[in-house]
Amino acid sequence: EPEVTQTPSHQVTQMGQEVILRCVPISNHLYFYWYRQILGQKVEFLVSFYNNEISEKSEIFDDQFSVERPDGSNFTLKIRSTKLEDSAMYFCASRREGDYNSPLHFGNGTRLTVT
Amino acid sequence: AQTVTQSQPEMSVQEAETVTLSCTYDTSESNYYLFWYKQPPSRQMILVIRQEAYKQQNATENRFSVNFQKAAKSFSLKISDSQLGDTAMYFCAFLEIMNYGGATNKLIFGTGTLLAVQP
Repeated sequence: EPEVTQTPSHQVTQMGQEVILRCVPISNHLYFYWYRQILGQKVEFLVSFYNNEISEKSEIFDDQFSVERPDGSNFTLKIRSTKLEDSAMYFCASRREGDYNSPLHFGNGTRLTVT
Repeated sequence: AQTVTQSQPEMSVQEAETVTLSCTYDTSESNYYLFWYKQPPSRQMILVIRQEAYKQQNATENRFSVNFQKAAKSFSLKISDSQLGDTAMYFCAFLEIMNYGGATNKLIFGTGTLLAVQP
């Protein structure tokens, strides 16, 4: 069964550095998402992306964050200047177009540690 | 704004027994979807079961079933014949359906219930 793939599985960075988290959604999916889970807390929506633009974003997704689909397969989340509170598990997800009942397919996540 | 509440931070069940995880939600909408996701120690998010609000019949998936009480805004998950592999964090989630028939883009998650299945 096709899967959403995220790399790296664990990223350690210093405060103030830029990080790029990478995701390869399922090939025939057209809606893409990033969610965040701070350790021990609930999963929070960050942003959704469709047709090469952001369709919805949360208040967490401020100017430090950006998303991009640089080619036909990758979907990236960039944090320009990381803060300690950005330490979290970041999940990428995707779903098919037009199938609102279809579940989000999540990747295995990238654990970001900011020191 | 929609909210999802899971009032049981942790639960424990003996192998082969049945356990019920609670979830309540708050919304003014009449049409929406509800989901239960499982997050094992590997941290992957796995869909367990889903329910459309307009369907009165409770969804079932093998050993997993839900008790959907729309008026009470309750959506509990029952796991029958619990197995060691069921040990995981379980998240209840809500997805709103817009008037034009589409859905909002974001799932609203509860805080999760950590289920431990004991041998």
